[in-house]
Amino acid sequence: QVQLQESGPGLVKPSETLSLTCAVSGYSISSNYCWGWIRQPPGKGLEWIGSICHSGSTYYNPSLKSRVTISVDTYRNQFSLKLTSVTAADTAVYFCARPLSGHGDYDYWGQGTLVTVSS
Amino acid sequence: QSALTQPRSVSGSPGQSVTISCTGTRSDVGGYNYVSWYQQHPGKAPKLMIYDVSKRPSGVPDRFSGSKSGNTASLTISGLQAEDEADYYCCSYAGNYYVFGTGTKVTVL
Repeated sequence: QVQLQESGPGLVKPSETLSLTCAVSGYSISSNYCWGWIRQPPGKGLEWIGSICHSGSTYYNPSLKSRVTISVDTYRNQFSLKLTSVTAADTAVYFCARPLSGHGDYDYWGQGTLVTVSS
Repeated sequence: QSALTQPRSVSGSPGQSVTISCTGTRSDVGGYNYVSWYQQHPGKAPKLMIYDVSKRPSGVPDRFSGSKSGNTASLTISGLQAEDEADYYCCSYAGNYYVFGTGTKVTVL
């Protein structure tokens, strides 16, 4: 059974870099799919951040592209998110997910991790 | 890069049908048959209910159906049940990235 688990600091200072990791079990991330990051500010809607494919290709939300980097560690079977120059607007629950067929149809999700940006 | 437009809320009595619209542009909803729908209960991760406009993942009841016309996609819940009360989000491919809808709260009266 495929499982995803986000981890990382729950508190980040303004202007610093947010770093999260998604550990995957039950499936090799190098086999297939474009693995994604999605976030949700408290009380608000979902926002797609970006994805990294098994080929290594990356795709980012244009509104975040200048600040986002997604990378993969196939040895540890995990992928990571870095978001630079964070502000309070980046406070959100961050989810990692795997698609069903590959077109935004995420059927496996992590439980989500709340990251608060505050001094 | 704007979020797709959904009604803030819809409601219905048990057994009734409700339809949620998701309006985009020809650069996203209208340009591709890659619209998905998610159900989210409070404090939980979203659950995939519909993908590729009208396909249902295994385990999703056939009370949930999806369709698309032009730049607007729709999710219909037939035979509304208490457990269907949740937030629903559409999501569309927009050419190398994805855009979510603003979200709709479904209330079962």
